Amino acid sequence: DTGVSQDPRHKITKRGQNVTFRCDPISEHNRLYWYRQTLGQGPEFLTYFQNEAQLEKSRLLSDRFSAERPKGSFSTLEIQRTEQGDSAMYLCATRGSGEQYFGPGTRLTVT
Amino acid sequence: AQSVTQPDIHITVSEGASLELRCNYSYGATPYLFWYVQSPGQGLQLLLKYFSGDTLVQGIKGFEAEFKRSQSSFNLRKPSVHWSDAAEYFCAVFPNSGGYQKVTFGTGTKLQVIP
Repeated sequence: DTGVSQDPRHKITKRGQNVTFRCDPISEHNRLYWYRQTLGQGPEFLTYFQNEAQLEKSRLLSDRFSAERPKGSFSTLEIQRTEQGDSAMYLCATRGSGEQYFGPGTRLTVT
Repeated sequence: AQSVTQPDIHITVSEGASLELRCNYSYGATPYLFWYVQSPGQGLQLLLKYFSGDTLVQGIKGFEAEFKRSQSSFNLRKPSVHWSDAAEYFCAVFPNSGGYQKVTFGTGTKLQVIP
């Protein structure tokens, strides 16, 4: 257990539905990251927060994706109008003294 | 842009045998280097990290890695593999000065351990 928690751990949704994932970071870490991992691949960077400010967004993050980190604490990642290509593991990580600590991930299946 | 190459997609070793997983990176300077392990359906666990100093770093679970600047490599080793080491291993780099604040991962090496 790294101290980073994610909810839910698994989500099955129908195409076209909206989904929201939550990440609760290690409390003293002000940097928070979202990654997406598809089968057989390494995690790919999606977005980065420092406190409540979203400082970096990948081109992978289409207009259907939005992430927030109100008050610099927990973060949410929302996907609107889900597509089958969104099926993946969504990983949250927070950064301490150099390395990142990963949560267990949310596995999304879009049917 | 930084990149990480793990040339071996899948490796099979016998329990008790030694292991070496290869990792090469491309970056303008020496980045921070990491190895992570991921069991099926789980998040990533940090095995070890290199920031600076001694180029041979020790990690958890008996793993070690050696940074070789001349070869832009950071190979992971273990002298004697246990069945519980079967998992997927990811090499990763992180810039150590400004720029993008993201970790770039390799595509991973899946380790199978046979009795």
